[in-house]
Amino acid sequence: GESVGLHLPTLSVQEGDNSIINCAYSNSASDYFIWYKQESGKGPQFIIDIRSNMDKRQGQRVTVLLNKTVKHLSLQIAATQPGDSAVYFCAETLNDYKLSFGAGTTVTVRA
Amino acid sequence: KAGVTQTPRYLIKTRGQQVTLSCSPISGHRSVSWYQQTPGQGLQFLFEYFSETQRNKGNFPGRFSGRQFSNSRSEMNVSTLELGDSALYLCASSFNGRAADTQYFGPGTRLTVL
Repeated sequence: GESVGLHLPTLSVQEGDNSIINCAYSNSASDYFIWYKQESGKGPQFIIDIRSNMDKRQGQRVTVLLNKTVKHLSLQIAATQPGDSAVYFCAETLNDYKLSFGAGTTVTVRA
Repeated sequence: KAGVTQTPRYLIKTRGQQVTLSCSPISGHRSVSWYQQTPGQGLQFLFEYFSETQRNKGNFPGRFSGRQFSNSRSEMNVSTLELGDSALYLCASSFNGRAADTQYFGPGTRLTVL
């Protein structure tokens, strides 16, 4: 299961499939973009970040893509696992010590 | 290394009261930020402290205030509580608070105003 282009508030994905979570950011001058994962009852947990002068960055099972032309950010999760079920937030910062968060996408992994 | 800790985890207050929430950052981190999380507004930035000084503030009324101590621990205070202040209050710490510094979040304090 994947959603391309549009931000969706929820995403249901089959275990083992790849997931794509989209985010539209607001400020073309933002310098850093970060993805956080929030599980029920916990605070947001850092996943991966990307600087504005990059368009792709990879981590362990995750890839972040940045398209500055259309102010779009995406998080790709490979081989989605049950433990990936959570709310995912993108955030942007202008190097002014604060994060501006997107609305979040709730990912549910089906067994 | 211990993570960000917040106390208390849960709090119930009534309208008009005031409340103080506490945050202990990761050891060595000097920047502490506070966020409010609600279902309707999502995660919103309250303020950020570094070396006991507030460097940035979000769009919240003056009833919301904070401070930071010399050991980097931080408190936030909300006076004259309103029903709309019910939220999860999150604290995040980072080394210097710069964009390149990862912000690590605590578990939050769930405030309910009756």
